[in-house]
Amino acid sequence: KQEVTQIPAALSVPEGENLVLNCSFTDSAIYNLQWFRQDPGKGLTSLLLIQSSQREQTSGRLNASLDKSSGRSTLYIAASQPGDSATYLCAVMDSSYKLIFGSGTRLLVRP
Amino acid sequence: SQTIHQWPATLVQPVGSPLSLECTVEGTSNPNLYWYRQAAGRGLQLLFYSVGIGQISSEVPQNLSASRPQDRQFILSSKKLLLSDSGFYLCAWSQGRLYEQYFGPGTRLTVT
Repeated sequence: KQEVTQIPAALSVPEGENLVLNCSFTDSAIYNLQWFRQDPGKGLTSLLLIQSSQREQTSGRLNASLDKSSGRSTLYIAASQPGDSATYLCAVMDSSYKLIFGSGTRLLVRP
Repeated sequence: SQTIHQWPATLVQPVGSPLSLECTVEGTSNPNLYWYRQAAGRGLQLLFYSVGIGQISSEVPQNLSASRPQDRQFILSSKKLLLSDSGFYLCAWSQGRLYEQYFGPGTRLTVT
């Protein structure tokens, strides 16, 4: 059974800092991995999708990497801003085409 | 561009009452549609998905059901709500099973 873990559960950083969020999964048989952002009481916003054959994807200040063999992904946020404060969720699409989610990392960027 | 709508945004219902949540997608045709639940302190759980009109797959046995009466409309229902049905219900769509999923704004359901 696929399990997705995100560490840390919460993170507080000063504005301007570069930071890394971690995601690990137990079964390397995945089709893709998706990173989402969720603001309190809101739906999920898709940030990046990495196909299983890719190593990384970039969008603006965000860079996501994927190491399928070791079951790990990282989301790198450059020059963090208070507006980046949110919960970040990682999800892998398993061999039965289901998205399996981690429990998220709650990020606070302090002005 | 594509947009996804959900209503109502919030709902408070007594135990034993019926439920109907609606999700519609605009700007695309023949999308894959999904219902998820996010319960307090737990991750997102896939409840149902649909690859076409009238085609529904259930992931979790429970007192909820889903229907897809039109190509871009997905409905989540229950005949009798339980306290454990409380949560944040999210609808999502994708172009296909391996494509990026896009989520709606969600419905906060509280069963009292």
